[in-house]
Amino acid sequence: DTGVSQDPRHKITKRGQNVTFRCDPISEHNRLYWYRQTLGQGPEFLTYFQNEAQLEKSRLLSDRFSAERPKGSFSTLEIQRTEQGDSAMYLCASSLVGSYVVNYGYTFGSGTRLTVV
Amino acid sequence: EDQVTQSPEALRLQEGESSSLNCSYTVSGLRGLFWYRQDPGKGPEFLFTLYSAGEEKEKERLKATLTKKESFLHITAPKPEDSATYLCAVQGHSGGYQKVTFGTGTKLQVIP
Repeated sequence: DTGVSQDPRHKITKRGQNVTFRCDPISEHNRLYWYRQTLGQGPEFLTYFQNEAQLEKSRLLSDRFSAERPKGSFSTLEIQRTEQGDSAMYLCASSLVGSYVVNYGYTFGSGTRLTVV
Repeated sequence: EDQVTQSPEALRLQEGESSSLNCSYTVSGLRGLFWYRQDPGKGPEFLFTLYSAGEEKEKERLKATLTKKESFLHITAPKPEDSATYLCAVQGHSGGYQKVTFGTGTKLQVIP
């Protein structure tokens, strides 16, 4: 297993366009998380899945954002009608299920850097 | 609302010069405090989880400690390859079951 994979690594889009990012987690992990990170800031929680169920969403996740995890494997994050404020690094992470606390931390991917022009 | 404050924002050390990074936190019922390392253009890399005051964990030149209000990441005799941004994060009982709140990080530069 090569860890958490994210695609694409970089995306430049025009304001108003839709974009979709993909995340492939570690195969034996069944929790998957999306975070957003802007320059000089720490990652901010967006949403998380356990298997295919989206169990928690941040208020940062506006109506223009939607995330899916069909069949509990890979996940997609779509942003509709992009705005310049959406420019950020979008990070995906996965973890083992079952522990009350995330004992081993999250395994993050390298992220997708989105630039909206 | 859980909060994490890290200091200093940036730290420049000579190779071999030991120092400590600080993470102050407020959380409603601590489930775990995490340290991550992040290299430029990459996602954070997990280092440690601490659960209760008095706990300590070590990995190579790094040692993390925890009190009821703060955590320290001690770096002993750092090398240039330790240069990175170090992120602290907490998971508490408020803000959702799985929400982890990150600080803004300390950017460490180790000069040969």
